[in-house]
Amino acid sequence: EAQVTQNPRYLITVTGKKLTVTCSQNMNHEYMSWYRQDPGLGLRQIYYSMNVEVTDKGDVPEGYKVSRKEKRNFPLILESPSPNQTSLYFCASSLSLPSSYEQYFGPGTRLTVT
Amino acid sequence: AQSVTQLDSQVPVFEEAPVELRCNYSSSVSVYLFWYVQYPNQGLQLLLKYLSGSTLVESINGFEAEFNKSQTSFHLRKPSVHISDTAEYFCAVSEMDSSYKLIFGSGTRLLVRP
Repeated sequence: EAQVTQNPRYLITVTGKKLTVTCSQNMNHEYMSWYRQDPGLGLRQIYYSMNVEVTDKGDVPEGYKVSRKEKRNFPLILESPSPNQTSLYFCASSLSLPSSYEQYFGPGTRLTVT
Repeated sequence: AQSVTQLDSQVPVFEEAPVELRCNYSSSVSVYLFWYVQYPNQGLQLLLKYLSGSTLVESINGFEAEFNKSQTSFHLRKPSVHISDTAEYFCAVSEMDSSYKLIFGSGTRLLVRP
């Protein structure tokens, strides 16, 4: 089954404790992206990747890191989480440019930082 | 800079009634336009998109949207809604000269009542 998976689905952590949210797709997609969803703000892009070893900042990259060492994986790293990073996070992938190809979204990761 | 405005945060409607979800965008260049739907506790799914050609686009489940360039709008309509249409709907835009990213609106929650 074609899908985007994220782990964990729910995470409660404390300020400053490094964490990684994994994202994996099995569709051989070139483009991958991370978004955060906050009430009243919709989805805002954190980082995106056009292909292996090619990543770039989205609109809200502060406090986040990503890497794309393999085509299928695109982990999101929070080196020192803070309470303002409490949010619902989505990973997405598309065959190529998201303007021309449908983005497939993962089920989401709900992160709470206390 | 491009932006997307969804003025209605929530639209309550009775089953079998028509509905319109409004979306306006701002951009100085030509754009691609999208509607994504998010059912409860799920990721987003593409509902329909406008890339070029006919300004009226349709989805498989009865929704349609019309691109109006002069009014910079891409409103979503359905002549008769079902309970199962209850979800959050996001309008998104991508500029043709920066098609590697989508900008999402803040979302409209459609609540269909029996």
